[in-house]
Amino acid sequence: NAGVMQNPRHLVRRRGQEARLRCSPVKGHSHVYWYRQLPEEGLKFMVYLQKENIIDESGMPKERFSAEFPKEGPSILRIQQVVRGDSAAYFCASSPLLRQNSPLHFGNGTRLTVT
Amino acid sequence: DQQVKQNSPSLSVQEGRISILNCDYTNSMFDYFLWYKKYPAEGPTFLISISSIKDKNEDGRFTVFLNKSAKHLSLHIVPSQPGDSAVYFCAASGSYGGSQGNLIFGKGTKLSVKP
Repeated sequence: NAGVMQNPRHLVRRRGQEARLRCSPVKGHSHVYWYRQLPEEGLKFMVYLQKENIIDESGMPKERFSAEFPKEGPSILRIQQVVRGDSAAYFCASSPLLRQNSPLHFGNGTRLTVT
Repeated sequence: DQQVKQNSPSLSVQEGRISILNCDYTNSMFDYFLWYKKYPAEGPTFLISISSIKDKNEDGRFTVFLNKSAKHLSLHIVPSQPGDSAVYFCAASGSYGGSQGNLIFGKGTKLSVKP
């Protein structure tokens, strides 16, 4: 977990509001990955970003979810018009150029609760 | 359809004895396997990995065994310690079409090591 910072740690939103989750990668890392863990489930891949580019968004829901990793600043996972089913733990990982078969190192996550 | 399965939701072991956590997979294109350990309210921590060209990898008290013909891997912890109590996730990656960093996780096994 060393180095990847996520905030907030806990986020409570009412149905219909927007949620913004931030991930500051390890200094010098230009690749960011977002995963979601629903209750009693394993982690599921959502999106892979490089600076200013989305590389793989095959795990992102088609609606209401978006992600960015700007040239400056943290990566943002944005969920619009949240619903109760969005309640989950969202984890971020970062890496330098990912070598084949390199492990990912995750942050401590943001726990989103939708009321 | 789950591609990585951990069929035991929980496991209880006495301190000092061996813990064996099992994982099965269905996709023969997976070529790299990882084990992560997760404490409550923290992110997953990388533990150990194995490439499909090997059948065993050892790191201190942790050993991972891979049986490709059976599409099965296991994590052995010996001797088990109370601090090993956590949820253990098996994950896989490979040339199945997913991008680098797109890991497929199992649902986890909660290990309890009793003093």
